[in-house]
Order: sequence, then structure tokens, then C-alpha cells
Amino acid sequence: AQSVTQLDSHVSVSEGTPVLLRCNYSSSYSPSLFWYVQHPNKGLQLLLKYTSAATLVKGINGFEAEFKKSETSFHLTKPSAHMSDAAEYFCVVSRDDYKLSFGAGTTVTVRA
Amino acid sequence: NAGVTQTPKFQVLKTGQSMTLQCAQDMNHEYMSWYRQDPGMGLRLIHYSVGAGITDQGEVPNGYNVSRSTTEDFPLRLLSAAPSQTSVYFCASSPSGEPFNNEQFFGPGTRLTVL
Repeated sequence: AQSVTQLDSHVSVSEGTPVLLRCNYSSSYSPSLFWYVQHPNKGLQLLLKYTSAATLVKGINGFEAEFKKSETSFHLTKPSAHMSDAAEYFCVVSRDDYKLSFGAGTTVTVRA
Repeated sequence: NAGVTQTPKFQVLKTGQSMTLQCAQDMNHEYMSWYRQDPGMGLRLIHYSVGAGITDQGEVPNGYNVSRSTTEDFPLRLLSAAPSQTSVYFCASSPSGEPFNNEQFFGPGTRLTVL
């Protein structure tokens, strides 16, 4: 079975400082992994995805994530947070039965 | 393209009432799905469809029905609303019948309250 654990329910950073959102997954095979962002009262938008190509994946808005199979992790980072990064972020793993599993989400607050 | 559209945006029901949440996409996507979002639980899959005429259950299907008569539309029916169905509902679609490697395109959501 595939599942996702987001290790922080809430992350608070100052504008201009790095952001790290942690995600661990479990899977019986090599999955595809995604990060989605949800701004308040909006739908979800894809930030980036890993599909067994390069382990360092670059996404939109300066975000990137590194797939580490040995650690079963897919952490999301951004070197310098912007006020517009305040949102909820979801780590998602594909399953082998036409379904996706979502993590519980991490809420990011950016302080001015 | 309008992308994925959902109606209504907000709805209040009384316990026992039924209603249909509408979802449509104009991208000719094969795969469509319905999720509910509850605080601290991420998104949970209710039902999904890999093409017109084909539907299947997700993680939390009880109390909901779906049908897929056309590629474009994927309505979600609440048979007899219960307070436990108070949630935000998202419809999503993706290009192929296999969502493994594909971006999911999400609608704006329907916020449902059951009294």
C-alpha cells in the first residue's frame, strides 16, 4: 500500500528565508510523487512532479524537491520565501490502482 | 478553455435532503475524480472514472453516487445528506486513464454544509 506523511502541519518562515516542507512516503514500488499548492479558497495547483527521471525536480515559482529513495523522502524547498507563498501544500503519491494518496497538508505562514 | 468548472460554489442542505454537485471539463480528459477535503486530513478520494461509462469507488464512497455518461461531465450525487458530509468537495481531471504521471487539474471547489 502507498501512503504519505507530511511531517509538519504548520511551518512559519520570515520573508526572504528558506522554506523546507518535509514529506515521507511508503510504497511497494517506485511511485510518482507530486507537490500541490492550495491558496486560500482556491483549488489545487501542481508545483512539481517526480516520475523516475532526475531525482532533483524543479517546479514553478522557485520551488524544487529531491527524491531520495533510500530515505523514502520527497522534501520541498525554496531558497527565499515570498509573501505569496503563504498557502497549504500537499505531498501526493501515485498508487497502482488509478488513485492518488494525499498527505494531510502543511500550512505555510510567511512573516514580513 | 474554462478548465474544470464546479457548481454550485456554496450549498447548505438539511439532513436527509439530496442534491447533485456538478463538474465539467472542456479538455477532453479521460480521468475524472471527486475528492472531499476536511481539516487535517488532506484530500480523500470519493469516486473516480477512467472514461465515459466507467466509474469506480475511492476511499470514502458511502453516501455518494456518480455517473459518467459523457467525457465532459462527472456529477456527484448525495443521496441523503448527513452532517458528516459537511466538507469542501473538489473535482479533478487528468489527460489519460492513468493518473500516475499526469497533472491533476482541479476545479475551484464546492463548500457544502449539512445542518
